[in-house]
Amino acid sequence: GQQVMQIPQYQHVQEGEDFTTYCNSSTTLSNIQWYKQRPGGHPVFLIQLVKSGEVKKQKRLTFQFGEAKKNSSLHITATQTTDVGTYFCDSNTGKLIFGQGTTLQVKP
Amino acid sequence: EAQVTQNPRYLITVTGKKLTVTCSQNMNHEYMSWYRQDPGLGLRQIYYSMNVEVTDKGDVPEGYKVSRKEKRNFPLILESPSPNQTSLYFCASSIGGLGNEQFFGPGTRLTVL
Repeated sequence: GQQVMQIPQYQHVQEGEDFTTYCNSSTTLSNIQWYKQRPGGHPVFLIQLVKSGEVKKQKRLTFQFGEAKKNSSLHITATQTTDVGTYFCDSNTGKLIFGQGTTLQVKP
Repeated sequence: EAQVTQNPRYLITVTGKKLTVTCSQNMNHEYMSWYRQDPGLGLRQIYYSMNVEVTDKGDVPEGYKVSRKEKRNFPLILESPSPNQTSLYFCASSIGGLGNEQFFGPGTRLTVL
């Protein structure tokens, strides 16, 4: 079946460094959602991307949807300790399919 | 306050003892879903429901049952729990299912001994 792969699985960065996680699909996606889960918490919706090549920004977070709608990325500029958590992409072409997530650790 | 609630939040039980995890949402959402979360495997969908009396299997439905008799509630039933069902469970709802923001409950941590 359809698979959504996220890389990397884990990332440790120094506070102030940038961070990027990638979400890749074997098939074309109708749209993609990104979620953040803080340690001990539940996933919280961040954003939805729908259009080919779409780029959206939320303060230090930049979300991008690939031209072929098969991949997406989340980039955080100048990470802070509040960015710690696991970031999931969610594709729902037919069925809701979450990527495995990227867990971000930020060293102060 | 718009929210998804789950009960219990924590449960330790023994193999074979039937249990139910309740899920309720107050946002009048049609779509509800259950996920389990295991280290390294992310969130995997167990069952989902597009509306009242409409349920369908997700990716890992074996060993679970659900019902959707009313819009706000979507209980998860484990008829005969086994240790491999030890996991963190999340219920979620959204206004229209596919392509819409999902609201997650706080999670239920289940341990089956």
